[in-house]
Parts: sequence; structure tokens; C-alpha cells
Amino acid sequence: DAGVIQSPRHEVTEMGQEVTLRCKPISGHNSLFWYRQTMMRGLELLIYFNNNVPIDDSGMPEDRFSAKMPNASFSTLKIQPSEPRDSAVYFCASTTDFQGLGNQPQHFGDGTRLSIL
Amino acid sequence: LAKTTQPISMDSYEGQEVNITCSHNNIATNDYITWYQQFPSQGPRFIIQGYKTKVTNEVASLFIPADRKSSTLSLPRVSLSDTAVYYCLVRGGGGNKLTFGTGTQLKVEL
Repeated sequence: DAGVIQSPRHEVTEMGQEVTLRCKPISGHNSLFWYRQTMMRGLELLIYFNNNVPIDDSGMPEDRFSAKMPNASFSTLKIQPSEPRDSAVYFCASTTDFQGLGNQPQHFGDGTRLSIL
Repeated sequence: LAKTTQPISMDSYEGQEVNITCSHNNIATNDYITWYQQFPSQGPRFIIQGYKTKVTNEVASLFIPADRKSSTLSLPRVSLSDTAVYYCLVRGGGGNKLTFGTGTQLKVEL
């Protein structure tokens, strides 16, 4: 079975450019999460969706970040304009956890390593 | 905002039992505690999950005291391939948010 698929695996771009990260969750999973991992802050939850609806976006750092889930099989995380401090590994995860109570294991993709020059 | 804390690193030898503790003082009443393993350049991978007392599966055990303010992941007989970073994940803190622990780098040697 295919796991969570993220693209691209690596992205290098210049400050000020728009960056779009993509995620395909596991088929049948109705909750999707976006995380960011840095050495300084560790793994941070940015936003999560249940049934394609954003439930908690309190972790989104600022208005430059936006996330969408137009259907059950696709989500995007967009940064516009990008800044060097956005450099990190961004992970997408999915689960069958309806209510976000953390009682179902999350399945993670292998991440997108983003470098903003 | 209380953090979910773990020891930064631990060293062990093959065949030894390793216990990694996570402190989560503000865990939400109804939430589970989940542990993940992460290798370089990969996403975290689920190990075990529990709510209270003890849970055991084919790779690990999870011990949770009655107050649930901490949990201990136990790896019974580690091998070199268990060298990785281990994270706990709970819901709690300000805003009842899903929060990863600070992570523990486990290094297993011969």
C-alpha cells in the first residue's frame, strides 16, 4: 500500500519566491496534518484538517503561510513570500482519527526539505 | 506554555533494555500518549500508543503512571538498527494542542 506521498522531496529557492508543498494522504484517511521540523524548535504542528476542513491552524506561523485541502486525496502548504527563516523540513501526516484526539497513529510522509536562500 | 520534555540523548549497547521517559505535565484528560521513531531523512514512524498503565506490542512497552504526567517507552533488547530519535506525542498545554516531545537521540553500540 502506498504511504503518504509528499512532493517535492527537496526545494531550494530564493527569498521572496512562492513555495508550494504537496501532500497525498493515505486513501481512506480523513485527517491530515502539516508539521515543520527544525533543530531549534523540533517538530511543530502547523495545521490539521478533518474531512477536508481546517480544524486548528493556530500553529501556522504567520499570514505568509496558507494550507488547503480541496479534496480527500490532496493538500497543499503554501508560503508566499518565503523567507530564509522558513527553511526547515515540512512533514505531512494522515490518519483515520476523526476527532483529533490523538488516539489513532499518524502515518508520515518522508518530508520536503526546504531551503530559502 | 509547558513543554513536553525528554532527555536529549541516551547511549546503550546491543542486547540491553532502554527506557526513555517523556514528561507531559499538562496532558489532556482524554488523550492518548503516542511514541514515534525517526531515522535521518525520514518521517516519524509509529511505535506504540497507550492511555494508562501498561501497553505492550511486538517491539516495545509503554508504561504510564496513574497521574499520566509522564510516560516511559521501553525497548527490551536494542540492536544497532534501533539507533534513531524517539519522540512522544501528546495533546495538552495551552490550547490543548498536539505537541511532540523534544526528542531523544538513542545511540546503540556493539
